[in-house]
Amino acid sequence: EDQVTQSPEALRLQEGESSSLNCSYTVSGLRGLFWYRQDPGKGPEFLFTLYSAGEEKEKERLKATLTKKESFLHITAPKPEDSATYLCAVQAGAGANSKLTFGKGITLSVRP
Amino acid sequence: EAGVTQFPSHSVIEKGQTVTLRCDPISGHDNLYWYRRVMGKEIKFLLHFVKESKQDESGMPNNRFLAERTGGTYSTLKVQPAELEDSGVYFCASSRSSNQPQHFGDGTRLSIL
Repeated sequence: EDQVTQSPEALRLQEGESSSLNCSYTVSGLRGLFWYRQDPGKGPEFLFTLYSAGEEKEKERLKATLTKKESFLHITAPKPEDSATYLCAVQAGAGANSKLTFGKGITLSVRP
Repeated sequence: EAGVTQFPSHSVIEKGQTVTLRCDPISGHDNLYWYRRVMGKEIKFLLHFVKESKQDESGMPNNRFLAERTGGTYSTLKVQPAELEDSGVYFCASSRSSNQPQHFGDGTRLSIL
């Protein structure tokens, strides 16, 4: 069974204090790893897809990386508006199976 | 481009009643997914439509849940009869193809009393 573990559960940063969020996964045949951002009362908002080990994607202050066992979401010089829950999900297996398996998420709070 | 739209945003019903949730996917997206998040747990997959056909319904918890997507456009998820453990947030997502990112609606928060 596919498993996704995110750590830490919660992270509090000072504005400008860079850090990384971790997503460890155990799957049979990774097809893609997805990062989403979720604000309170809203649905997950797509950020990145990573397909193979060594791949990196960047968007503003966020950078996602992927290895064979885990992914990191690096946040450089965060701002209060980066406060949200960050979700990691994997898509695995062959054929038409395209469901996402999610981790519990990491709640990030950035203090001004 | 309009996003995924879900109705209602919040529903409160009593145990034993019936509730129907609706999802309108992004126009042109053949793939439609239902997920659920119960309190303290991760978001979990329920089922996947490709156009009007059920591609994968391995996540449906039991036969009290019925999903339909007539005509391959919007989808409904009916819970009948509702039980206390059905409380949670139900999310719908859509994608143009199964290899592309899934885009989520804001969910329906379902409370069973």
